[in-house]
Amino acid sequence: QKEVEQDPGPLSVPEGAIVSLNCTYSNSAFQYFMWYRQYSRKGPELLMYTYSSGNKEDGRFTAQVDKSSKYISLFIRDSQPSDSATYLCAFLTGANSKLTFGKGITLSVRP
Amino acid sequence: EAQVTQNPRYLITVTGKKLTVTCSQNMNHEYMSWYRQDPGLGLRQIYYSMNVEVTDKGDVPEGYKVSRKEKRNFPLILESPSPNQTSLYFCASSRPGQVGYFGPGTRLTVL
Repeated sequence: QKEVEQDPGPLSVPEGAIVSLNCTYSNSAFQYFMWYRQYSRKGPELLMYTYSSGNKEDGRFTAQVDKSSKYISLFIRDSQPSDSATYLCAFLTGANSKLTFGKGITLSVRP
Repeated sequence: EAQVTQNPRYLITVTGKKLTVTCSQNMNHEYMSWYRQDPGLGLRQIYYSMNVEVTDKGDVPEGYKVSRKEKRNFPLILESPSPNQTSLYFCASSRPGQVGYFGPGTRLTVL
């Protein structure tokens, strides 16, 4: 079983749609759960960061973590063309600083 | 402004010609690491450093070297580059156990 699995995509949605991005993981030692956004020709930038099960909201973005089922999700409400990017889930054990990434999903929001 | 810088941003070279990609951060972070990003494979860690003079292998260290003589700098060295090292490289830094900040990337082509 892979340590992290992320829906492969790509994903194309119309402007204004609700987007759901998902990752599952198998490593119980993961304590921190992140979503990075990566625009074309740019480095990944941190979008959301949480360490507990439940929902965390930031504007149009909601990060959801379910530790018992070992999955995390990112929801984007009222999606905009500027949200078009690759989204990567990432995990941290806390014992060290090594990030374990999903392979990323490319999202395209059509005007 | 807090940032991670990499140079060069783009590099085309030939097989066997030694090269160095520099990385510098201005956040006084202890932890620095190098990743490569390839289509279908995602981000994979090459080497990391927990502090000055402390480095260790990541998941794909073959063909690479690093050094950490100063806290702010973490250069990536390819002694004898080969075409399979053609990739997009990212440097990242963080405090131990905290989320990472990424540089803008270096696109390397080895002919």
